[in-house]
Parts: sequence; C-alpha cells; structure tokens
Amino acid sequence: KQEVTQIPAALSVPEGENLVLNCSFTDSAIYNLQWFRQDPGKGLTSLLLIQSSQREQTSGRLNASLDKSSGRSTLYIAASQPGDSATYLCAVPFYNQGGKLIFGQGTELSVKP
Amino acid sequence: EPEVTQTPSHQVTQMGQEVILRCVPISNHLYFYWYRQILGQKVEFLVSFYNNEISEKSEIFDDQFSVERPDGSNFTLKIRSTKLEDSAMYFCASTIDSQVEAFFGQGTRLTVV
Repeated sequence: KQEVTQIPAALSVPEGENLVLNCSFTDSAIYNLQWFRQDPGKGLTSLLLIQSSQREQTSGRLNASLDKSSGRSTLYIAASQPGDSATYLCAVPFYNQGGKLIFGQGTELSVKP
Repeated sequence: EPEVTQTPSHQVTQMGQEVILRCVPISNHLYFYWYRQILGQKVEFLVSFYNNEISEKSEIFDDQFSVERPDGSNFTLKIRSTKLEDSAMYFCASTIDSQVEAFFGQGTRLTVV
C-alpha cells in the first residue's frame, strides 16, 4: 500500500531555532512532492513543490529536499518565528494514480516567543 | 493569481439532508479532485474527475456521493443523505495536468447535526 508518513507528529521549539520536518513515502515512483501549511481550522496553503527530477527547492526561509531513492523529503525552516506555528503536511502523487495526492498526517509545529 | 474558490465556507445541515458543496477550479485546469479531512485526521482522497467523468473514486465515495461539472466552470460535490460521520472539512483541488502541482481551495467545513 502506498503511504506517506511524517515525523514527528508534534514539535515545539523556541523562536529563532532552525528546524527540520520529515516526510517519508513508501514508493519512489512519484511525480513530485508538495509541502503544505495548515492553520487550525483552515485550508491548505501550498509552500513548496519539488519535481521528481529535483533535489531541492527554496522559498524564503524554507528549503525542501527530496531523495526519491530513499523515499524521503525534509522541510527545513530557518530562524523560526511564532508566525510559523501551524501544521505542516506533505503530499505525494504516485505514478499511475491519476494525480491524486496521498497525504501524511502532518507535523504540528509550535514556535514559542 | 488564479485560485480555486469554494462555497460556502461553512455549512451546517441536519442528518438526512442533501448538501451541495461548490467549487470553481482554475479556468484552464483539466483535472478536478475532492478531498476531505475529518477533524484531527489525515486529508483523504475522495474522487477525481477528468474529461467530464469520474476517473477514480475511493472507498469512501459511496452511492451517497456524486460529483458534477454542470456548466464548464463549477465543480460540485453532492451528498444525498448526510450522516453525522460526514462532518469534515471538504477540499476541492484542480491541476492542469495530473503530474504537476495541485491547487487547493480554502475548504468547506460541513457540520452534520
């Protein structure tokens, strides 16, 4: 069964710390990997998309890496701020699945001032 | 920037009633999806729609559910007879190609009482 797993489930850090969120997937046959942010009770905000041919993608203080062969992606957040507090989700479209996304369960991040 | 729009943002309905959730995908997109997220759980795929027909549906998407693209712009999800367990956030998404970035709406929170 094709699955996506995220660890840790929750993370609490002091403001200013650099941190890494992890995402793993069971099958390397993917088109891309997307990272989303979700605030409590709200929708999904797309943060970064990494194509299967790429190794990393950067947007501001965010850097996402992809290692398809090992089935892993990381989201690195530099100099964390209280406004970064949210749940971070990764999602993958596996080959021959018509583009549907399989989501991880998310990492709930809390950045303390 | 083009976006996926969902209405309403929140709907409360009585058990057994029919509800229609509405989505306006990005205008040049060809693939359309519905996902749901029960409170505290993963985002789950419901159905994908391409070329005016369902291309894939999950086991959640039973006979109580239907989708339609009635006028070339709207994409609707109908739940014929709602149950308490249908209470969730429902997300619409669209892509121009099944292999590239998916764009999500802000969701409709459905509460069945």
